[in-house]
Amino acid sequence: QVQLKESGPGLVQPSQTLSLTCTVSGFSLTSYNVHWVRQPPGKGLEWMGRMRYNGDTSYNSALKSRLSISRDTSKNQVFLKMNSLQTDDTGTYYCTRDQLGPYYFDYWGQGIMVTVSS
Amino acid sequence: DIQMTQSPSSLPASLGERVTISCRASQGISNNLNWYQQKPDGTIKPLIYYTSNLQSGVPSRFSGSGSGTDYSLTISSLEPEDFAMYYCQQDASFPRTFGGGTKLELK
Repeated sequence: QVQLKESGPGLVQPSQTLSLTCTVSGFSLTSYNVHWVRQPPGKGLEWMGRMRYNGDTSYNSALKSRLSISRDTSKNQVFLKMNSLQTDDTGTYYCTRDQLGPYYFDYWGQGIMVTVSS
Repeated sequence: DIQMTQSPSSLPASLGERVTISCRASQGISNNLNWYQQKPDGTIKPLIYYTSNLQSGVPSRFSGSGSGTDYSLTISSLEPEDFAMYYCQQDASFPRTFGGGTKLELK
């Protein structure tokens, strides 16, 4: 069955870099797009960026200067790296998949809580 | 960026009640509107895609409608498991954007 699972540190110091991994199963990264979405505590959802099935990437312009998304298809993993973290980057980070039309997010990971604090 | 405005932000309701949540886009999104449910444990699942298509496994009491800039999600008769957060989201253009959410609460 289709699964996505986020992993990474739960605590990151201010100004440091966040590195998260989304490990997928039940589908191929060369056939589906994978996105990252985050949610500050008690707030709404924010789309961060996308790894397309062909390896192309798209980013939210609000985060583009700090964000990088990459992948390792042999390990079924998509990576998120975001630098210069601040306290308002605290929140739950989700990876999710969309079908190649319609483009809704049909499967989601459970999310990983990341706290930015010294 | 396309702004998505959801209303109401909070919706107290009773079991068996029919409720409607609205979502307005800042520009036309040609029915590229999806709805998601988020439970208190953070689990997110799709309910409706492309305005009115029911995701597999979602009960038929959920329905969606709309066009242009205005869309809505209706739950025909509330069950206990329906009390959760609901978000609309557009996939007409990048960046993908979500509404601010509606908390459906037990009255």
